Amino acid sequence: DAGVIQSPRHEVTEMGQEVTLRCKPISGHDYLFWYRQTMMRGLELLIYFNNNVPIDDSGMPEDRFSAKMPNASFSTLKIQPSEPRDSAVYFCASNRQAYGYTFGSGTRLTVV
Amino acid sequence: SQQGEEDPQALSIQEGENATMNCSYKTSINNLQWYRQNSGRGLVHLILIRSNEREKHSGRLRVTLDTSKKSSSLLITASRAADTASYFCVPSGNTPLVFGKGTRLSVIA
Repeated sequence: DAGVIQSPRHEVTEMGQEVTLRCKPISGHDYLFWYRQTMMRGLELLIYFNNNVPIDDSGMPEDRFSAKMPNASFSTLKIQPSEPRDSAVYFCASNRQAYGYTFGSGTRLTVV
Repeated sequence: SQQGEEDPQALSIQEGENATMNCSYKTSINNLQWYRQNSGRGLVHLILIRSNEREKHSGRLRVTLDTSKKSSSLLITASRAADTASYFCVPSGNTPLVFGKGTRLSVIA
């Protein structure tokens, strides 16, 4: 298994632009999570899905953030419009209930 | 969901020494998990210990769990420079996992 695959690995964009981060979970995993990591706040949970359905999006910082999971093998996190304070590393993770999480390598987002 | 509190916040040891990290939590759990994060990389799941287990081993890792004290420890034996990373303990009742600040381990060659 290739693990959880995130793209792109790095993204540099200008303030105000739309950013889309992508994630392919491990086949057979029924949970998918989006986290954000910064030096100041550590690792924060943004949203998670169970069987493609969003369960809790209370960690999404603002309406500028949205996430979708159209099928079991793909999820996106979109920021529109992006702001410099959105600069962070965004991780996607997946698991089966009661098992450890498998994390992707992350997307390092820089908004200038 | 609850997060664990790792102690110490930072630990520096010589290669070959053992490293012990501790974790405390507040409410009852189904299991407790330990993760490692190398600088600039994603988190890696190290070990999961269930609430009815007291000790678990995986290679050079030894994890203990004391549910009466709501605490856990991670021991890395014969440390290597490649063990330099942040380590997170995550007590788990239900989804999702919430991560704390972790312990930053530096292994000096």
